[in-house]
Amino acid sequence: QLLESGGGLVQPGGSLRLSCVASGFTFNNYDMNWVRQAPGKGLEWVSVIGGTGTTTYYADSVKGRFTISRDNSKSTLYLRMNILRAEDTAIYYCARNDGSKLFDYWGQGVLVTVSS
Amino acid sequence: SYELTQPPSVSVSPGQTARITCSGDALPTKYAYWYQQKSGQAPVLVIYDDSKRPSGIPERFSGSTSGTMATLTISGAQAEDEADYYCYSTDSSGHHNVFGTGTKVTVL
Repeated sequence: QLLESGGGLVQPGGSLRLSCVASGFTFNNYDMNWVRQAPGKGLEWVSVIGGTGTTTYYADSVKGRFTISRDNSKSTLYLRMNILRAEDTAIYYCARNDGSKLFDYWGQGVLVTVSS
Repeated sequence: SYELTQPPSVSVSPGQTARITCSGDALPTKYAYWYQQKSGQAPVLVIYDDSKRPSGIPERFSGSTSGTMATLTISGAQAEDEADYYCYSTDSSGHHNVFGTGTKVTVL
């Protein structure tokens, strides 16, 4: 299971940290992603982190503002979001990669609203 | 930036075949993945590595590719298959990962 938390309402320019707690599998064996979906819109890949946490990639739309990280001792994935914009408003999902099965398990999602 | 283009909507009668296309310049060399998202739910992986089906996904779902186009086929569509479907892949550099524009499948 994947359970996200940390969402909410934040003002433009503000910051927020999302968490995703994993259970039922050996967390450090899997790459993990964040994927978001703006209200009524399609899916957008945000970021991925390798199992050891040393390799990260970001979508151009969040590069330099968002930071993905993980604490394998706590089986937890994080997304630190800074300089938030209205267009960052979305449901944020964490999702697992099982080898070539990309995004084979998803959390239920957490809503982030950026508004004044 | 890299884009994957899908038709906005596809309609199919129950028991008939629905085909959803996904067009992208790098698809000849990069795998395509397909996800089903029902209203108010998280997406579900239905096809990976162009044509492989995860355990638990019904056999009526199949995937194929030809040149710059990937296709998800639902053979014998059922009412429960009504959902949004998204393809996913990466560009030739492997550094820009994108979802397709999404296709709403209606079974009626």
